[in-house]
Amino acid sequence: KQEVTQIPAALSVPEGENLVLNCSFTDSAIYNLQWFRQDPGKGLTSLLLIQSSQREQTSGRLNASLDKSSGRSTLYIAASQPGDSATYLCAVRGSNDYKLSFGAGTTVTVRA
Amino acid sequence: SAVISQKPSRDICQRGTSLTIQCQVDSQVTMMFWYRQQPGQSLTLIATANQGSEATYESGFVIDKFPISRPNLTFSTLTVSNMSPEDSSIYLCSVEGRPMDYGYTFGSGTRLTVV
Repeated sequence: KQEVTQIPAALSVPEGENLVLNCSFTDSAIYNLQWFRQDPGKGLTSLLLIQSSQREQTSGRLNASLDKSSGRSTLYIAASQPGDSATYLCAVRGSNDYKLSFGAGTTVTVRA
Repeated sequence: SAVISQKPSRDICQRGTSLTIQCQVDSQVTMMFWYRQQPGQSLTLIATANQGSEATYESGFVIDKFPISRPNLTFSTLTVSNMSPEDSSIYLCSVEGRPMDYGYTFGSGTRLTVV
């Protein structure tokens, strides 16, 4: 069974600092990995999707890397803003399964 | 990617009653997924809904408690039956992108409080 871990559980930084969020998974046989953002009490917004054959994906200030062999992904958010305050979830889709396995999330607070 | 309309966005319900949550997708999809997110927890898959067949439930979830309908390829409902305060959670529906390399899209969630 795939286990997904996100570290740290919470993070508080001053505005302008770069954010580094970590995600690890136990089974390297993945199809893809997806990073989501969740605002309190709301649904999930997809940020980045990395296929198993890719090493990284970028969108604006966001960059996500994937090291499948070591079971790790990192989400970098450059020059953080108060609007980046949210919970960030990492989800892994198995190569033989359509289901997503989620981490518990990292709750980010960016202080103005 | 698909756009999902989910409603209601939130509700406060009395224990012992039932609530039906609806998800409408702007394109035809084979599978729709229903998740529960308990307070402070991550997402747990409740069931997978295929059009024309019974939903497939994950361990710990049963049809009598969470009946699901999937009348066509763009719509599904999840009912939370005989509610107790432990059912207070965010419920979300999701679909896989087409092609599937687009990843998963989620509805805006239903925040349920049972009193």
